[in-house]
Amino acid sequence: VQLQESGPGLVKSSETLSLTCAVSGGSISSDKWWSWVRQPPGKGLEWIGEIHHSGRTNYNPSLKSRVTISVDKSNNHFSLKLNSVTAADTAVYYCVSNGAWCLDYWGQGTLVTVS
Amino acid sequence: EIVLTQSPGTLSLSPGERATLSCRASQSVSSNYLAWYQQRPGQAPRLLISGASSRATGIPDRFSGSGSGTDFTLTISRLEPEDFAVYYCQQYGSSLLYTFGQGTKLEIK
Repeated sequence: VQLQESGPGLVKSSETLSLTCAVSGGSISSDKWWSWVRQPPGKGLEWIGEIHHSGRTNYNPSLKSRVTISVDKSNNHFSLKLNSVTAADTAVYYCVSNGAWCLDYWGQGTLVTVS
Repeated sequence: EIVLTQSPGTLSLSPGERATLSCRASQSVSSNYLAWYQQRPGQAPRLLISGASSRATGIPDRFSGSGSGTDFTLTISRLEPEDFAVYYCQQYGSSLLYTFGQGTKLEIK
């Protein structure tokens, strides 16, 4: 399976960050969960949340109030929205497919800068 | 919430040497729920080990994982030039499903 993130590389403070992850080489409707992970420049990894094709979601409690992850089965992609962004949300955002209690396939990542 | 602490922060070794990286959890973690990742500069993380000791598809057998409870280890038996990277451990939890250690940087001595 291959994953490819897309979306604006620059978002203004207080606005909404929106990214999409295109899944190829596999169906998003397979019995898998799909995650978003981010990494601020020069720092470590932070899991944002996950979605199943049924629409069930789980979120990082520290981000839950600002995050929405959705799935589009017809286009085989899933999306991330993070609202009320600040400079602290500047990061490389990765979309990932979930394995058994791990994160097995990663997109190349996309840098989003909050100005 | 379980906290993962990796040591050392930076490990300086030469190609051909053996690397031992540690990941310590603040509470006991099921071995099923412990994974390791490699991140080369400018690249996405790559899954190396899941279930504490099972190599992911395509991972060379010089990489091995071990441990249980609160102490886990990633061992690279003979370092190749492409192994110099940052390594993260990760555990699967309850309220916060995926947490990562802060990383160990493996650098060329």
